Amino acid sequence: AQKITQTQPGMFVQEKEAVTLDCTYDTSDPSYGLFWYKQPSSGEMIFLIYQGSYDQQNATEGRYSLNFQKARKSANLVISASQLGDSAMYFCAMREGGNYGGATNKLIFGTGTLLAVQP
Amino acid sequence: GAVVSQHPSWVICKSGTSVKIECRSLDFQATTMFWYRQFPKQSLMLMATSNEGSKATYEQGVEKDKFLINHASLTLSTLTVTSAHPEDSSFYICSAYQTGFYRQPQHFGDGTRLSIL
Repeated sequence: AQKITQTQPGMFVQEKEAVTLDCTYDTSDPSYGLFWYKQPSSGEMIFLIYQGSYDQQNATEGRYSLNFQKARKSANLVISASQLGDSAMYFCAMREGGNYGGATNKLIFGTGTLLAVQP
Repeated sequence: GAVVSQHPSWVICKSGTSVKIECRSLDFQATTMFWYRQFPKQSLMLMATSNEGSKATYEQGVEKDKFLINHASLTLSTLTVTSAHPEDSSFYICSAYQTGFYRQPQHFGDGTRLSIL
């Protein structure tokens, strides 16, 4: 069975510093996709970044980058130059068959990490 | 970009009432939509997968008769919480997957906060 683990329930970071949010996963499917979403207090889910299991390079999107270590089954999110607006809940999620459109396409979410950016 | 609209965003109603929540993909077709439930300070829990033109697939432990799902068109799925009770109070959020774009994320609606008194 697939599983997503986020071991950091909450984190503090100083404004303008970088922060790493941890995510490990477990799956027997060689084809999968990994996602990070941000959920501010208002509740909407904001897509941040995607990594496919067969991607050769780590994904980057602006200040977000994904440290993908396939052998360790980890997909940590790195936020550079933190801003006050980055304070939110962050969820790591996995979709099996993610590279080729998979059978179900459903996402399985981790328990989330609450990030607080301090001025 | 792909947009998903969810309505209503906020509902308060009396116990025993049925509540319908709509999820629309505004600028793309979605043969598959998903319904999640989220309790305060917890993660999203997948309730069911909504398939256009066929029956929804429910996750284990989710009552089919309690949470009715209808996906009558390629852009609309509805979740009806039947005879809602206070324990059904939660944040419900839908998402849609743009068919054929496998590297794209699921696009989420803004969610519905349901409070049953």
